Amino acid sequence: DAKTTQPPSMDCAEGRAANLPCNHSTISGNEYVYWYRQIHSQGPQYIIHGLKNNETNEMASLIITEDRKSSTLILPHATLRDTAVYYCIVITNAGNMLTFGGGTRLMVKP
Amino acid sequence: KAGVTQTPRYLIKTRGQQVTLSCSPISGHRSVSWYQQTPGQGLQFLFEYFSETQRNKGNFPGRFSGRQFSNSRSEMNVSTLELGDSALYLCASSAPGTSGRGSHNEQFFGPGTRLTVL
Repeated sequence: DAKTTQPPSMDCAEGRAANLPCNHSTISGNEYVYWYRQIHSQGPQYIIHGLKNNETNEMASLIITEDRKSSTLILPHATLRDTAVYYCIVITNAGNMLTFGGGTRLMVKP
Repeated sequence: KAGVTQTPRYLIKTRGQQVTLSCSPISGHRSVSWYQQTPGQGLQFLFEYFSETQRNKGNFPGRFSGRQFSNSRSEMNVSTLELGDSALYLCASSAPGTSGRGSHNEQFFGPGTRLTVL
C-alpha cells in the first residue's frame, strides 16, 4: 500500500508560488514527512522534512495539517530549474529505507 | 566536499551475466543505501550498509547483493541478470545525526548507474 498520495502532475508559472499537496492519512506518530525532488537525469535531492510543525529552509516551506494527515510543500518563487518530480514520503528517523511513489511532476513554465 | 560518486554511469549487459556497481559516499558518511528505480515501480530500497554490515534489506531476490568496505565505499552485485533488472541504480550516503528536531535522515544521492539488460 502506498503511504502517500500525490497528484501526478502540476504546472506553475515562473516566479509564482508552487504548492504541492500530499496526503498521508495513515501516518504513524513516529513518522516524519520528507520531501525529495528529482531533476531529470539526476539522483533525488533532499528538500525538507517535518514532524508536526511547519518548517522552512532556504529551499522551501512545509505545511503539515494539525491532524498530520496531509501536507503541502511550498516553493515560494518557482524558477525553471525547479522543474522536477517531487516526492513526498513518510518515514521514521530510525530507518534509511526510502520508498518513493509516483510523485508529482512539476512543470514550471515561463 | 565531493558528492556521492557512482561508477560506471552506464552499462549494457546481456541476460545471464552478472554486474558489479560501485559507490563512493561523501567523506565521513558511514551509511550507504542502494535503490533501484524503474518507470513502473518507482524508487525501491535494496539494502543499506553501515560500518561494513548490512543493516536493512529490501524485498529483492538473493541475486542482488552488496558489501561495504572499511573506507565506506560500497559495491552491489547482481547475478544472473534478467531483462527486468534494467533500471537506474542509485546509491545514497548519509551521516545519521541530530538537527535539533530529532535525528535527521537526509540522504545524499549519487547520479546513478543506468543498467540495460539485453
